[in-house]
Amino acid sequence: RKEVEQDPGPFNVPEGATVAFNCTYSNSASQSFFWYRQDCRKEPKLLMSVYSSGNEDGRFTAQLNRASQYISLLIRDSKLSDSATYLCVVNSPGRRALTFGSGTRLQVQP
Amino acid sequence: GAVVSQHPSRVICKSGTSVKIECRSLDFQATTMFWYRQFPKQSLMLMATSNEGSKATYEQGVEKDKFLINHASLTLSTLTVTSAHPEDSSFYICSARVIGGDEQYFGPGTRLTVT
Repeated sequence: RKEVEQDPGPFNVPEGATVAFNCTYSNSASQSFFWYRQDCRKEPKLLMSVYSSGNEDGRFTAQLNRASQYISLLIRDSKLSDSATYLCVVNSPGRRALTFGSGTRLQVQP
Repeated sequence: GAVVSQHPSRVICKSGTSVKIECRSLDFQATTMFWYRQFPKQSLMLMATSNEGSKATYEQGVEKDKFLINHASLTLSTLTVTSAHPEDSSFYICSARVIGGDEQYFGPGTRLTVT
């Protein structure tokens, strides 16, 4: 089983739609969680950290469910510029490198 | 803040030559930097963890004698691909971890093509 699992998609949604991605992680001792965004042929960029109480940044809302070991990202009012691959990222105790999921591809269509 | 630069952004070299890629944290210090490789339409693959002042830690299957890593200061790590072959052609990305935090910030990547 992979340490971090994501549905690869693609998710094709119209502009203005709300879309949600889920991600599961296997190590119950993980403490830090993030969503990164990667555009085609570019480096990943930190989108937001994920806190236990859930957190929101504009149109983006991240949630963490420790009991079920899953993380979600909700994007409201999708824009064309939201089209990218969204990477679920978890820290693994004992490793300094973060563990990246393989990403979920989002394509927002006009 | 938390800007990481990488140089060169693109390099084309002949088979058998060596290529050095630099990764710099511009506005913060990083005791730990990471080197990743990404093939088209595939996931990021961690190659090695670069530790300032000590030896790098390589992931399983990554040849340490082929991918030489040096982390000589708190703001600079280098990756040298030695005796490059066409199968080494890939997108190489570094990242740096902020001291005291878990976040990693990525450089813009280096696209290596070996002919």
